[in-house]
Amino acid sequence: NAGVTQTPKFRILKIGQSMTLQCTQDMNHNYMYWYRQDPGMGLKLIYYSVGAGITDKGEVPNGYNVSRSTTEDFPLRLELAAPSQTSVYFCASRSQGNTGELFFGEGSRLTVL
Amino acid sequence: DQQVKQNSPSLSVQEGRISILNCDYTNSMFDYFLWYKKYPAEGPTFLISISSIKDKNEDGRFTVFLNKSAKHLSLHIVPSQPGDSAVYFCAASEGPQGGSEKLVFGKGTKLTVNP
Repeated sequence: NAGVTQTPKFRILKIGQSMTLQCTQDMNHNYMYWYRQDPGMGLKLIYYSVGAGITDKGEVPNGYNVSRSTTEDFPLRLELAAPSQTSVYFCASRSQGNTGELFFGEGSRLTVL
Repeated sequence: DQQVKQNSPSLSVQEGRISILNCDYTNSMFDYFLWYKKYPAEGPTFLISISSIKDKNEDGRFTVFLNKSAKHLSLHIVPSQPGDSAVYFCAASEGPQGGSEKLVFGKGTKLTVNP
């Protein structure tokens, strides 16, 4: 049982480049999330989705885009990467009715130089 | 403005003793609280939770206490084991039974349990 799978695990980008962080879950969860964690900080919500075709902004959405065409996949797109986007990104999911227990991927460490 | 605060960045305890991790919150609308544990290079994993209708929830060595009037919760680990060494995040949500889509996380407390 793979759970939540994120790729890539590590990536270095140059300023202005774009990339997509992939997230797939095999638990048939309706809810999916993208968080970022900066050093010494808690997790901040970037975007979330309550089901296929539905997405909404979290606390720090600027500079990112998401889509949710299937239940399984929730990719996060970075357009015009900036040094401020250097962070560790976590994708998470949960089932409907589940009281807040999120299942997280292992994280994707992104550095923008 | 931090709605969930973990004021101790780190905590060190001896194996076998009690570990107490603290968390304060400012949003009175929060009604469901969770603790997550995170090892290096891994994603956070759910540890234990508590609803605002309770003041205590216990799961094995882990107990969470909630003091609504003080807007304070704590996680007790007894006895502490070296494998408990990790970063612990407190999280909170609004909405019925924690059904809100948005969890708010604290900055985390790094626990080190010394053999």
